[in-house]
Amino acid sequence: GAGVSQSPSNKVTEKGKDVELRCDPISGHTALYWYRQRLGQGLEFLIYFQGNSAPDKSGLPSDRFSAERTGESVSTLTIQRTQQEDSAVYLCASSLTGGGNEKLFFGSGTQLSVL
Amino acid sequence: AQSVTQLGSHVSVSEGALVLLRCNYSSSVPPYLFWYVQYPNQGLQLLLKYTSAATLVKGINGFEAEFKKSETSFHLTKPSAHMSDAAEYFCAVSVAGAGNQFYFGTGTSLTVIP
Repeated sequence: GAGVSQSPSNKVTEKGKDVELRCDPISGHTALYWYRQRLGQGLEFLIYFQGNSAPDKSGLPSDRFSAERTGESVSTLTIQRTQQEDSAVYLCASSLTGGGNEKLFFGSGTQLSVL
Repeated sequence: AQSVTQLGSHVSVSEGALVLLRCNYSSSVPPYLFWYVQYPNQGLQLLLKYTSAATLVKGINGFEAEFKKSETSFHLTKPSAHMSDAAEYFCAVSVAGAGNQFYFGTGTSLTVIP
């Protein structure tokens, strides 16, 4: 596609429910990142995929969070047993090869609200 | 470890006035530095980046930033603000060798007063 696509754009859920967020990166981009943006805070790194390498999960805040990526395409971020503190905008970004000097292409994000 | 500090979570300028958004970084190795902008209801997009070439970097929409190693700063400037510049601006730092090491500041919301 022309850009990074995220769905849904908004998600309201009840505490304790599971949610799944989807990211479609730019075609051909081998690197994919998930970030969390809480209100009034910066972007918090969650997880990084690069090609067929093992993902860097060092930013996942708890074992309720997991993510998968199929090859070099779609990624899903799953949050189990959601808590109110999980409310945030979840941003996905992709880049061509994952180099530290590369431009990140961001999606518009998923606004998650946990009631 | 790397980190980024953006001074001023909110900045207001008059239309036509100078825009100055401050960013200081901490890095134990030579960094790559970035400014991203987020317009209302849009995703973040790259304004400009410093990758060890010229210290004065020019970006889109008339913005530029200067890398000052002695001050560990990468402030963003624009000589004359336009109404369309109203947005959230994020400074970010990364290091060579590991693509996951992008550290973002908390952002500065720019308001342009007509």
